[in-house]
Amino acid sequence: DQQVKQNSPSLSVQEGRISILNCDYTNSMFDYFLWYKKYPAEGPTFLISISSIKDKNEDGRFTVFLNKSAKHLSLHIVPSQPGDSAVYFCAASARDGANSKLTFGKGITLSVRP
Amino acid sequence: KAGVTQTPRYLIKTRGQQVTLSCSPISGHRSVSWYQQTPGQGLQFLFEYFSETQRNKGNFPGRFSGRQFSNSRSEMNVSTLELGDSALYLCASSFSGDKRKFFGPGTRLTVL
Repeated sequence: DQQVKQNSPSLSVQEGRISILNCDYTNSMFDYFLWYKKYPAEGPTFLISISSIKDKNEDGRFTVFLNKSAKHLSLHIVPSQPGDSAVYFCAASARDGANSKLTFGKGITLSVRP
Repeated sequence: KAGVTQTPRYLIKTRGQQVTLSCSPISGHRSVSWYQQTPGQGLQFLFEYFSETQRNKGNFPGRFSGRQFSNSRSEMNVSTLELGDSALYLCASSFSGDKRKFFGPGTRLTVL
């Protein structure tokens, strides 16, 4: 049972435009959400996160939106740059004391065309 | 501040062998967790350690084990390797209770 879903395997956008990466989850116990970027032959790099008490978090070109009622979050990248081309993973963590295990989606490959 | 380091970066083993992977966390981070990445399953949680104690374990067979040392460095061991164990093994560290994990570059294990 996949608790974090990234239904689109890939996305291609023009440089300078907005990239919107979507993620859905099923576990209502998730209370913290993260986005990671991964280049080939490297480990995932933390990008941005959001707690379930908020509906938006912004960091530079990256903004994450959380819709708890729809169990949906999205990552917006504006403006998109060719260096943003990578695999993006959505991850979630449940409220469970000291347990901070992350559950990941399968990732989406973003290609930004010059 | 140095990032998470993992050794070795690449490893080739044959079925039935065992392997030990090593991880050094970011200085000050005492929580270390391990993940397996495969093309079909994405990133799957293996286990998490804090203060030399396993705090949580994922749904993997007992052939997968780990430990953490007093300096927070961690090792994971896979015994009786199977072809399906071929994967990228990622280590991540964090401050205790911080859900933001910082990953190392991974160890690419190939089982022949």
